[in-house]
Amino acid sequence: DVKVTQSSRYLVKRTGEKVFLECVQDMDHENMFWYRQDPGLGLRLIYFSYDVKMKEKGDIPEGYSVSREKKERFSLILESASTNQTSMYLCASSLVGAYNEQFFGPGTRLTVL
Amino acid sequence: QKEVEQDPGPLSVPEGAIVSLNCTYSNSAFQYFMWYRQYSRKGPELLMYTYSSGNKEDGRFTAQVDKSSKYISLFIRDSQPSDSATYLCAMKTSGSRLTFGEGTQLTVNP
Repeated sequence: DVKVTQSSRYLVKRTGEKVFLECVQDMDHENMFWYRQDPGLGLRLIYFSYDVKMKEKGDIPEGYSVSREKKERFSLILESASTNQTSMYLCASSLVGAYNEQFFGPGTRLTVL
Repeated sequence: QKEVEQDPGPLSVPEGAIVSLNCTYSNSAFQYFMWYRQYSRKGPELLMYTYSSGNKEDGRFTAQVDKSSKYISLFIRDSQPSDSATYLCAMKTSGSRLTFGEGTQLTVNP
């Protein structure tokens, strides 16, 4: 079974802190994704990586950066957390190709106070 | 205007009912259509995946795509309490990025 794991289920941070969210997948997938999920807005893509050290902005990249130094690991970084970044963060991975299912991790509920 | 519109519900039905979930979209370049199911405090998981217009059936679930109307549906027959979840439609072009609907929260009451 494909497994996507995220470093924390729940996280509470203060405004202005630097926050790291980690995601690891064990199926040698090329693609990895970071989404945030908010009521009324659904899942929105923050960043996408299609290879090691390669990244592409999603729909809402402002206030976020990412790092992919190894194929299995994709990190989301909030340089200076703000209250409007309180959300559920979901990581996903997939193979390359048109018919590519995205497999999701369990999510990290981040609260910024 | 959102590229993908989905009624967020909530939708509450009795056990055994037929459930119809729908999404409309505006981007005619979308070619691949998916339904994901998300249980509370879990990540989404793929339920159905279709490429062309028409119907695809898997057990109690039927996915329907009408590209001419830019409309997709998911039907659940003989709904069960275990079907209670949020259902997200998703679609994409030939690339890797998915565009999701808002999700419909479904409760099936015993």
